Amino acid sequence: GQQLNQSPQSMFIQEGEDVSMNCTSSSIFNTWLWYKQEPGEGPVLLIALYKAGELTSNGRLTAQFGITRKDSFLNISASIPSDVGIYFCAGQFGGNEKLTFGTGTRLTIIP
Amino acid sequence: GAVVSQHPSRVICKSGTSVKIECRSLDFQATTMFWYRQFPKKSLMLMATSNEGSKATYEQGVEKDKFLINHASLTLSTLTVTSAHPEDSSFYICSALWSVSSTDTQYFGPGTRLTVL
Repeated sequence: GQQLNQSPQSMFIQEGEDVSMNCTSSSIFNTWLWYKQEPGEGPVLLIALYKAGELTSNGRLTAQFGITRKDSFLNISASIPSDVGIYFCAGQFGGNEKLTFGTGTRLTIIP
Repeated sequence: GAVVSQHPSRVICKSGTSVKIECRSLDFQATTMFWYRQFPKKSLMLMATSNEGSKATYEQGVEKDKFLINHASLTLSTLTVTSAHPEDSSFYICSALWSVSSTDTQYFGPGTRLTVL
């Protein structure tokens, strides 16, 4: 099935640094979502975006829905050890429709 | 709110046996649930959409006779892997659709790790 391209694939950063990752698609989506997954667990919703151009924050996380509706980015400010995990973007056409997931960005924090 | 559970969390079975995985929405009703499969270090791939009271919709390439889905109530969907083989070993994750004020959000279960010997 289709997957969205996420970059970077992995990141190694020091605690306290800011993180930026993005997600691109060849198709338009009406909703963009960002999830975090820890080993052996299911994804947990971080931020949901419903409108092109929308910028939404959740604590130290900020995400934007691209104007073209074909991309989205996620920023994490002042990273902490518990930010470690895999971050997935997901696109959706309609609210009750299936999600198309990105390839994931693995975040590692160097002590 | 919006808690989804899965049972079992881990299962090991012999080749040729069938395994049933349950997905429950604990504090909300979900007419729609989704089943995903995830291989190590890979993303989630949708297998099928489960609708309460009707047949599931399978994604291209997913064998419906191999992966039986039953959504018998508004809080429970089951995935049965029939005649499991080692290549069916994977992490299976369900999600349930929570609809509030015209906004639909998928909440995920903790996953079930299946190992077929």
